[in-house]
Parts: sequence; structure tokens; C-alpha cells
Amino acid sequence: DAGVTQSPTHLIKTRGQHVTLRCSPISGHKSVSWYQQVLGQGPQFIFQYYEKEERGRGNFPDRFSARQFPNYSSELNVNALLLGDSALYLCASSPLPLTGLNSPLHFGNGTRLTVT
Amino acid sequence: DAKTTQPPSMDCAEGRAANLPCNHSTISGNEYVYWYRQIHSQGPQYIIHGLKNNETNEMASLIITEDRKSSTLILPHATLRDTAVYYCIALKTSYDKVIFGPGTSLSVIP
Repeated sequence: DAGVTQSPTHLIKTRGQHVTLRCSPISGHKSVSWYQQVLGQGPQFIFQYYEKEERGRGNFPDRFSARQFPNYSSELNVNALLLGDSALYLCASSPLPLTGLNSPLHFGNGTRLTVT
Repeated sequence: DAKTTQPPSMDCAEGRAANLPCNHSTISGNEYVYWYRQIHSQGPQYIIHGLKNNETNEMASLIITEDRKSSTLILPHATLRDTAVYYCIALKTSYDKVIFGPGTSLSVIP
């Protein structure tokens, strides 16, 4: 089975632009969560979506938004990009919401975003 | 959610057991301990999780102290491919977000 796939793998944007990152979960997984990982730090939680509804939000500004589609794939949107948004953006999927203890998160390999 | 603390880095000789500690002194009764690892340029990979009993799978063993204030992840025969950052996380039975700390950078040395 295919794992979590993210696209694109690398992206370069200019300050003030917006970006859309995409994630396809493992087949059968209905929960998708997004994370930002700055170099040298652990992943920081941004959003969780389950059954197309937002189920959790981390401490990120409103410039960050996301949505989940009927096929459970997801998009992360970031508006008005800042230099500090440069990071690895990770997507994870699981069969159940994050409340599912026996459904560990499966991560994709991320999108490397560079803002210049 | 309980905060976890881990040493920033550790070395282990190839073929030897790697023992990675994690302190979670404020853990509550309904919080599980999860371990993930991240190899350079890849997403984190699930390793193992447990509540209060020791757990073992094909990748590792998890030893949780009786008071549940600390745990140890054991890689029984470390290989060079085990070089990675290892994250210990405490998660409630009902949670809406996942908090990763900086983890432990394990270097397996030939």
C-alpha cells in the first residue's frame, strides 16, 4: 500500500505570496494532521482534520488554514508568507481521530518550503 | 498533556543495545507514552507505545517504570540505520493535538 504522499517535495516562494501544500493519506485513513518543523526542532502541530471537520488547532496565526476533501486528502494553505515560515511541513494520517490510541500517526516525508 | 524531557544526544556502538531515556514526571493516569523516530530528510516513524506495562515489537522494547514517571526505549542491536532523532510523547486517551519536544539525536557508531 502507498504511504502518505505529499506534494510538492520542495517549494520556493517569495515573502507575501501564498502557498498550497497537498497531502494524500493512506487508503482508509480518515484523519489528517499537519505539522511545521523548523530546522533543529521537533514537529509543531498546526491542524487536525477528521471527516472533513477541524478537530484541533495549534498555536498558529490565521494566515494558516486547511481543509479536507471528501476523499480525505487535505490541503494546507499559508497566506502572506514570512521568512519565518520556511520549514518542513509534514502531514500525517491515521484511521481514527487523534483520539485513536491504537491508530498511530503515519507521516509523509514532507514539503520543504523556502521563503525568500 | 504531560511534558517529556529527553537528553539532546546519545552515542551507541553498532551491535550494542541503545537505551534511550525519557522523563515524564507529570504524566497522568490516562496518558500513554509514544515513541517516534525521524531519520534525516524523512517524516517521523512510529516505533512503539505503552501505558504501564512493558511492550515489545519487532523494532524495539519499551520499559515504563512502576510510577510511570519515566520510560526507556531499547533498540536491542543498534545498526547504523538506527541513527535518527527519537521523540518521546505523552498522549491522553482523548487528545486533539500532538506535541513533539526536541527529541534525542542518536548516533550509532561503527
